[in-house]
Order: sequence, then structure tokens, then C-alpha cells
Amino acid sequence: NAGVTQTPKFQVLKTGQSMTLQCAQDMNHEYMSWYRQDPGMGLRLIHYSVGAGITDQGEVPNGYNVSRSTTEDFPLRLLSAAPSQTSVYFCASSYLTLGLSKTGELFFGEGSRLTVL
Amino acid sequence: QQPVQSPQAVILREGEDAVINCSSSKALYSVHWYRQKHGEAPVFLMILLKGGEQKGHEKISASFNEKKQQSSLYLTASQLSYSGTYFCGTDLTSYGKLTFGQGTILTVHP
Repeated sequence: NAGVTQTPKFQVLKTGQSMTLQCAQDMNHEYMSWYRQDPGMGLRLIHYSVGAGITDQGEVPNGYNVSRSTTEDFPLRLLSAAPSQTSVYFCASSYLTLGLSKTGELFFGEGSRLTVL
Repeated sequence: QQPVQSPQAVILREGEDAVINCSSSKALYSVHWYRQKHGEAPVFLMILLKGGEQKGHEKISASFNEKKQQSSLYLTASQLSYSGTYFCGTDLTSYGKLTFGQGTILTVHP
């Protein structure tokens, strides 16, 4: 099982460039999310999705777009990169069992390290 | 709103115990605990649902005080492999929209 796969693992951008971080999971998880991790700040939620066609904002959504056209994929788009977006980005997925009132553990990808110059 | 973890850092000798606390100002549906080694992704430890449930994982256990909106992670007889950063994630909903604390750095020395 591949689990959660993120690409690329490393990326350097210039200010103003755009790019997409890819995330794919093969566990048929309904829930997918993107976090950014900065030193001393923990993990901050950018966007999340509870199923194909459904997305919502997290704590720090500005400057990022997402879409969820399939259950497997949840790409994160940086529209116009800024140095403040230099960070490590983690994609995470989980199953949902709303009927049983249960939340699932998050499975994380290995992370994508982004530097914006 | 991020939960608050305390302490920010803990240094232990092998075999010693530690407690990491996680507090929220809002009513919680569940609390998750994760451990992250340097340069790696966070790894799931356990989930606690509202109701004061206590769970265990190896020599690591946790509790959830629903009245106080607090959770505590207990690490007993610590091992070198316990070193890392511990994060609590709090969920105000039922579908894992987690907000994480700033982390607690745990270092275990021989």
C-alpha cells in the first residue's frame, strides 16, 4: 500500500510563480486535508475536504486553492507564491464514520518542502 | 483556535515518566495525539472521544476531561524511541477537522 503520496518532495519557487502540490491516497478515504508546518507553529490547517466535490477552508487558507474531483486526489494550488509561504506542507487523509460518531486517525504523506525566494 | 500544549519541552532520562497537557477554550468532540520525529511525518498515537475515555498504546496512555476540555498524554518508563515532538489535535466536529497545538518537544537521554 502506498498510503498518502505527495509530490514533489522539494520545490524552489520565485516570488509570484504558481505551482501545484499533488496529493493522492489509495485507501478510499473520504476526508483529506492540507497542513503547513512552520517552526514553533505546529501544524496549521489550510483546506480540507470531506468528499469529492466538497471542500472548505481551514485556519490559514489565504493564497491557496484546492479542488476535489476524485476521492483519491486533493491538489493544493499556490496562486502567486510569496516568501511567507515557505514551509513544509503535509497532506493527510482519514476515513469518516459519521453514522457511528467516530473520527478517524489521520494518515500523513511524507511532506513537501517549499522554498519561495 | 489552536489548543495550548504544556510544557513546551521536556528532557528525561530513560525510564522516567512524563505528562503532556493539551487545553482548549472550546467544547471538543475528540482529541488526537501524534508523535513526529525530526524530518518525518507525524504518526498517529491515539484518539480520545468525549466521555472521559482513556486509551493506551504501549506504555503511552491518555485521558480526556470533557468538563475542563483538557487532555493529558502519559508516557511511562520512557525509552529513547519516545524522543520527538508530540502534538495534540482537537476536533470541534465529528469529521476530523483537526486544529493542532504548537507541539511539545520530548528528549530522552540514556
